Amino acid sequence: GENVEQHPSTLSVQEGDSAVIKCTYSDSASNYFPWYKQELGKGPQLIIDIRSNVGEKKDQRIAVTLNKTAKHFSLHITETQPEDSAVYFCAATDSWGKLQFGAGTQVVVTP
Amino acid sequence: ETGVTQTPRHLVMGMTNKKSLKCEQHLGHNAMYWYKQSAKKPLELMFVYNFKEQTENNSVPSRFSPECPNSSHLFLHLHTLQPEDSALYLCASSQDTSGYEQYFGPGTRLTVT
Repeated sequence: GENVEQHPSTLSVQEGDSAVIKCTYSDSASNYFPWYKQELGKGPQLIIDIRSNVGEKKDQRIAVTLNKTAKHFSLHITETQPEDSAVYFCAATDSWGKLQFGAGTQVVVTP
Repeated sequence: ETGVTQTPRHLVMGMTNKKSLKCEQHLGHNAMYWYKQSAKKPLELMFVYNFKEQTENNSVPSRFSPECPNSSHLFLHLHTLQPEDSALYLCASSQDTSGYEQYFGPGTRLTVT
């Protein structure tokens, strides 16, 4: 089955710097890769996603890149702000369309 | 908010109690999900419903019993739980079961004493 690994588990960045979170997956049939942001006391919020026919997608300060050959995808946050502090999860669909999640990255943006 | 609501937000129950978690989605979706979120672990899929029919039971113990009376409402009935069942229980919905664009509720923080 699908196995999604996410790194790093914690990431501390200075406000204004960029943050990058990387995920790898194992199922070559995976075709959908969402990213979720979870703030304290809230449920995961879908912030961006990418499908396998696209290599990169950008939405304001966040972007996702996908390398299907290497089976990895990354989340990039530019010009980080304190409100970007949260836990971020990557996910990938398995062969049956079920989402398999990474273990999460705690991002802390310090002023 | 995402259009998915969950009640209660917090629940403390003893091992012999029976309680229910409720989820409602206002997005017109056809698929609904229960996930379990434990500290430092990936989200675990528990159940999937599509058009009110259960399509996935991810080897969940029978002390968790889901119910989906219609495409907008989902329940999780709990009885004789164990302390290791303490976790955040998340409901999600999507247009279909393709895996695309799942939207989550805020979760119910469950503590079993």
